[in-house]
Amino acid sequence: SAVISQKPSRDICQRGTSLTIQCQVDSQVTMMFWYRQQPGQSLTLIATANQGSEATYESGFVIDKFPISRPNLTFSTLTVSNLSPEDSSIYLCSVESGRGIVGEQFFGPGTRLTVL
Amino acid sequence: DAKTTQPTSMDCAEGRAANLPCNHSTISGNEYVYWYRQIHSQGPQYIIHGLKNNETNEMASLIITEDRKSSTLILPHATLRDTAVYYCIVLNNNDMRFGAGTRLTVKP
Repeated sequence: SAVISQKPSRDICQRGTSLTIQCQVDSQVTMMFWYRQQPGQSLTLIATANQGSEATYESGFVIDKFPISRPNLTFSTLTVSNLSPEDSSIYLCSVESGRGIVGEQFFGPGTRLTVL
Repeated sequence: DAKTTQPTSMDCAEGRAANLPCNHSTISGNEYVYWYRQIHSQGPQYIIHGLKNNETNEMASLIITEDRKSSTLILPHATLRDTAVYYCIVLNNNDMRFGAGTRLTVKP
């Protein structure tokens, strides 16, 4: 199975600043996904990031607020811009498993963001 | 997209089978049912998936009704480490949409 790491694991940020979250995979993957999990809630897909193309955002999420980079097949970043307390969440990246099971994804451990 | 309905929470005694139900009455013919779980402070973990037939792997069994409107995830011998939130998801075009899930607590 793919090993996924995220940096930072947690951070506390001030209102109005930005945080960039890194997601590193130990193997090459085509599709990477970014999710948000608000406190006590389920996961919500933010966007899908394919290498070499613009990320595809879900309804309610825009590139200006959540810019994503995907420079190669093992790495992606998600930036949460102009932070407000409502952005306090866990942000998770995931990748397709590559085992031929459509819908099987491996998830990173998440980045816990607190905005003051 | 098909919507899923799960009980908010369930308890299970350690060593007993945990049966987690899921309703997906609007599922269409080509949509798969997936189950993931999320242990506290971790990312979700894939468990199993199926289309029509019952499925079994090293983690669990998945029973899908003949009309495909509901399914049950079975953990045959629950342990304390199975305490987690279990998500039933109907997948459409690789679009993974998590519902609220069932919080399963396995008790000694």
